[in-house]
Amino acid sequence: DVKVTQSSRYLVKRTGEKVFLECVQDMDHENMFWYRQDPGLGLRLIYFSYDVKMKEKGDIPEGYSVSREKKERFSLILESASTNQTSMYLCASSSVLNQPQHFGDGTRLSIL
Amino acid sequence: GENVEQHPSTLSVQEGDSAVIKCTYSDSASNYFPWYKQELGKRPQLIIDIRSNVGEKKDQRIAVTLNKTAKHFSLHITETQPEDSAVYFCAASISSNTGKLIFGQGTTLQVKP
Repeated sequence: DVKVTQSSRYLVKRTGEKVFLECVQDMDHENMFWYRQDPGLGLRLIYFSYDVKMKEKGDIPEGYSVSREKKERFSLILESASTNQTSMYLCASSSVLNQPQHFGDGTRLSIL
Repeated sequence: GENVEQHPSTLSVQEGDSAVIKCTYSDSASNYFPWYKQELGKRPQLIIDIRSNVGEKKDQRIAVTLNKTAKHFSLHITETQPEDSAVYFCAASISSNTGKLIFGQGTTLQVKP
């Protein structure tokens, strides 16, 4: 069974801090994704990666960056956290084209 | 850009009734359509998916239909049970070869006992 693990379930940070969210998958998947989930807005793609050191912007990349140094790990970075980045963050991975994405449990991030 | 519209945003049914959630997509090259169920406080989990070479797929009480000409697909849940209460998301692949999905806004289904 695919396991996608996010480092924290809940995180509280202060405005202006640099925040790191970590995601690890154990199925050797090529693709990894970071989403933001807000009520009524569904899942919005922030960034995705289709290979080590490869990344592409999603629909809402502003204020975020990512890092994929190893195939199993995909990190989301909030360069200077702001209150409007308070949200649920979901990581997902998938193997190849037209295969389901498998999600982690999510990190509920609060920026104070 | 590509988008997926999902309706209704909320749906309330009596236990035992059927529930239908509909999605339309804009990218005519989309060829993979998964459906996810997210229970409160939990991760989205795949419940069924369909590919463009198939018009309908069924798994016990859940079925999905796809109309490529009209660019819409639907989730059908029969004999609903209280444990079906959750948020349901549809999604569609996009034409680039990256495995990227575009998600609908979600439907909150409430099944009343």
